[in-house]
Amino acid sequence: SQQGEEDPQALSIQEGENATMNCSYKTSINNLQWYRQNSGRGLVHLILIRSNEREKHSGRLRVTLDTSKKSSSLLITASRAADTASYFCATAQGGSEKLVFGKGTKLTVNP
Amino acid sequence: SAVISQKPSRDICQRGTSLTIQCQVDSQVTMMFWYRQQPGQSLTLIATANQGSEATYESGFVIDKFPISRPNLTFSTLTVSNMSPEDSSIYLCSVEDLVGHRETQYFGPGTRLLVL
Repeated sequence: SQQGEEDPQALSIQEGENATMNCSYKTSINNLQWYRQNSGRGLVHLILIRSNEREKHSGRLRVTLDTSKKSSSLLITASRAADTASYFCATAQGGSEKLVFGKGTKLTVNP
Repeated sequence: SAVISQKPSRDICQRGTSLTIQCQVDSQVTMMFWYRQQPGQSLTLIATANQGSEATYESGFVIDKFPISRPNLTFSTLTVSNMSPEDSSIYLCSVEDLVGHRETQYFGPGTRLLVL
């Protein structure tokens, strides 16, 4: 069963604006990851945040994790048309290498 | 980072036939994963393939429908057997990141399958 639930399902913004996507999950996790998928292609790993971390940055990406609410957010600042893609959160539980993916947010950045 | 290729990149097949998808990695990896992504949906793990052992299938997926081979540390195949239109999906393979975070995965470009 799906672990993560992203919202919104779709988001359309203008270039230069910030985009925020949220992910909720149901069980305890070791870490939470965000991936990007361009137009039905393979996924690209963006960032990983561990369960004992609250915030992490990578370039224009900022990820937060609230384990008490079982939720995470991905913020993309100063968005570009090239950021147009689907974004998925994924969680790993226990000692498993298996990832459970959320439903994803489809982001469109209009030039 | 690992470079992963998949063949074919896309195919259109008739119902009742089978298709074998190949996944090639440019480095030796222990674990390879096969996912299915139905149209407009997220990824669902089909099975985990370790070299030298039987693949481990997730709930809802069986070996008769999705046989997997893992003959060495750089290659795996997934066969979609006796296909029906419901098998129309993108099939992706991935491998664990052995250099950075073990928990992250590198993905192949996917195989887009349409079953008529």
